[in-house]
Amino acid sequence: QSALTQPASVSGSPGQSITISCTGTSSDVGRYNYVSWYQQHPGKAPKLMIYDVSNRPSGVSNRFSGSKSGNTASLTISGLQAEDEADYYCSSYTSSSTLVFGTGTKVTVL
Amino acid sequence: VQLVESGGDLVQPGGSLRLSCAASGFTFSNYWMYWVRQAPGKGLVWVSRINSDGSATGYADSVKGRFTISRDNAKNTLYLQMNSLRGEDTAVYYCARDVSNIVVVPAATDAFDVWGQGTMVTVSS
Repeated sequence: QSALTQPASVSGSPGQSITISCTGTSSDVGRYNYVSWYQQHPGKAPKLMIYDVSNRPSGVSNRFSGSKSGNTASLTISGLQAEDEADYYCSSYTSSSTLVFGTGTKVTVL
Repeated sequence: VQLVESGGDLVQPGGSLRLSCAASGFTFSNYWMYWVRQAPGKGLVWVSRINSDGSATGYADSVKGRFTISRDNAKNTLYLQMNSLRGEDTAVYYCARDVSNIVVVPAATDAFDVWGQGTMVTVSS
């Protein structure tokens, strides 16, 4: 199972909105609504930001939102803040009953 | 709510290691559990899952036949037995909890809302 494809880096200024894409296939992202997004700061464990494509866990800011169209899922961060600078990973359930993560995106706040 | 991994170590290629993950602060037996690893400077990789009562498991192709996931609900502990270790198994290993409490939502979502701090496994001669 190949990793889902994410852009290596995305940047934005404070207050701006950015979107991170996550491209899979009809066997994973395109077939199931089990897409999640994680934020990971250096040296820390990942943190769940979005699950089931667009659901936010309790305590996660509503500046984070998720969506999906076809084989591509997206994470949008609105009102970008300095603390949003981190690595972001998507994941998806697959038709092989496994889970696949994305390649990861480094978000830089300019 | 906490997960604490242990058991990581330096091991020679071909060797074995057992990781443990102690859970506290929640009803362990109500949740599917997982192992995820991250090689130094690399991305996240799903390793294995186990359902709430331990009767069903799943593995990534890269570890199938070498790794075994198990759990002891009486001890609130998750395990990963790793055999025939290879250099490419070198990574931080995280245990993680599914976001769904199966008593409330009778199906796991493969989304992880609680993570441990990770334990480092180094495979090298």
